[in-house]
Amino acid sequence: SQTIHQWPATLVQPVGSPLSLECTVEGTSNPNLYWYRQAAGRGLQLLFYSIGIDQISSEVPQNLSASRPQDRQFILSSKKLLLSDSGFYLCASTGTSGNTIYFGEGSWLTVV
Amino acid sequence: DAKTTQPPSMDCAEGRAANLPCNHSTISGNEYVYWYRQIHSQGPQYIIHGLKNNETNEMASLIITEDRKSSTLILPHATLRDTAVYYCIVSPMEYGNKLVFGAGTILRVKS
Repeated sequence: SQTIHQWPATLVQPVGSPLSLECTVEGTSNPNLYWYRQAAGRGLQLLFYSIGIDQISSEVPQNLSASRPQDRQFILSSKKLLLSDSGFYLCASTGTSGNTIYFGEGSWLTVV
Repeated sequence: DAKTTQPPSMDCAEGRAANLPCNHSTISGNEYVYWYRQIHSQGPQYIIHGLKNNETNEMASLIITEDRKSSTLILPHATLRDTAVYYCIVSPMEYGNKLVFGAGTILRVKS
C-alpha cells in the first residue's frame, strides 16, 4: 500500500526566515504530487501540482515554491516567510489506480 | 471554485446511519464524485468515489442519482470517531486529477 511521509510535523519560524517542507512517497511509482495548504478554520487550497520530475505547476501566486528532484520526492520552500504563510500544509499523491489522491499527515507551520 | 454544495453541518446519533447529501448539478460526463473526510489536525482521508453506479466499501456507501446531479454518502452505523468534516468533490477521471475542496459538511456524531 502507498505511504506518504511528510516532515517536519510541526514548525515555528520567524518572519523572513526560509522554509523547507519535504514529502516522500512509497508504494507507487510516477505519481502525481500535490501541495495543499489549510489556513486555520479554512478549507484546503491547492498550491502546487506536479506530474513528473522538474514538472511543477503553481495554482496560486505566492512567495512559496516547489521542487521535485526525484520521482517520489516533493519539496515546498520559501526564501522569506510571511505571517500569512502560517497554516497546515499537506502533501498528497495519486495512488496506483491513478484516479484517487491520498494525503500525508500534514505539517503545522506557525510564522511568528 | 468548488462545484459542489453541501450543508454546513449535520448531527447524527451514535449507531444510526448518517446520510450526507451533496449537490453537483453542473457535473460533466467525465467527472467522478469523490468523498473525503478530515478529522481535526489530520490529513484528509479518502472514503469512496463513483461515476454513475452506486458504490459500497468497508467504510461507506455512495448513492448517485440517475441524473448524476446529486449524491448521498451513507455511513451505516455512525460512531463517535466518525465526527469529522466531510468533503464531496467532483473531478475528471483522467490520471492525476486535481481535487478542489469546498467547505464540506461538519458531521457531529453524538452519544
